[in-house]
Amino acid sequence: AQTVTQSQPEMSVQEAETVTLSCTYDTSESDYYLFWYKQPPSRQMILVIRQEAYKQQNATENRFSVNFQKAAKSFSLKISDSQLGDAAMYFCAYRGYTSNTGKLIFGQGTTLQVKP
Amino acid sequence: KAGVTQTPRYLIKTRGQQVTLSCSPISGHRSVSWYQQTPGQGLQFLFEYFSETQRNKGNFPGRFSGRQFSNSRSEMNVSTLELGDSALYLCASSPRPQDYEQYFGPGTRLTVT
Repeated sequence: AQTVTQSQPEMSVQEAETVTLSCTYDTSESDYYLFWYKQPPSRQMILVIRQEAYKQQNATENRFSVNFQKAAKSFSLKISDSQLGDAAMYFCAYRGYTSNTGKLIFGQGTTLQVKP
Repeated sequence: KAGVTQTPRYLIKTRGQQVTLSCSPISGHRSVSWYQQTPGQGLQFLFEYFSETQRNKGNFPGRFSGRQFSNSRSEMNVSTLELGDSALYLCASSPRPQDYEQYFGPGTRLTVT
């Protein structure tokens, strides 16, 4: 069975600085997707960034980028130039590619505090 | 396009009762998934529906059931409610199960007393 682990329950960062959230996963599948979702206090879950396992290049979306280490089964999220609106709970999630299902397996989440 | 809508947004029930939650996916989306979110267990997958068929089911007791209608709207039902069923229930939709991006609704906050 696949598992996703986020070892940092809480993180804080100063506004305009950079923070990295960690995620590790375990799977025996060779093809899969990895995601970072953001859940602000309003509770609406929003997709931040995704990474296809077959792609070696790390995904980037504006101030958000990932460090995908397939061999180490590590998938960290870097937020640059942190803004107050980045404060939220962040979830790392896994989805198998070949299973033809949308089922997401989530980590426990990391609460990010952004200090002004 | 309107986003995923979930009704009701908040619900208070008593132990032993049953409850039905509704999810309307984005127009054109035929795949709907349900998740339960609690502080202790985090986000756990409940079910996935596509074209009125349940494709996948999480590790939940039989008290949790769901269905999908021909217009892709989905409902989930929890019978004989327990205190531990108190949670935020999230629904997500996508055009097809294999589409990587799922769009989440705002959730239904269920409190069981």
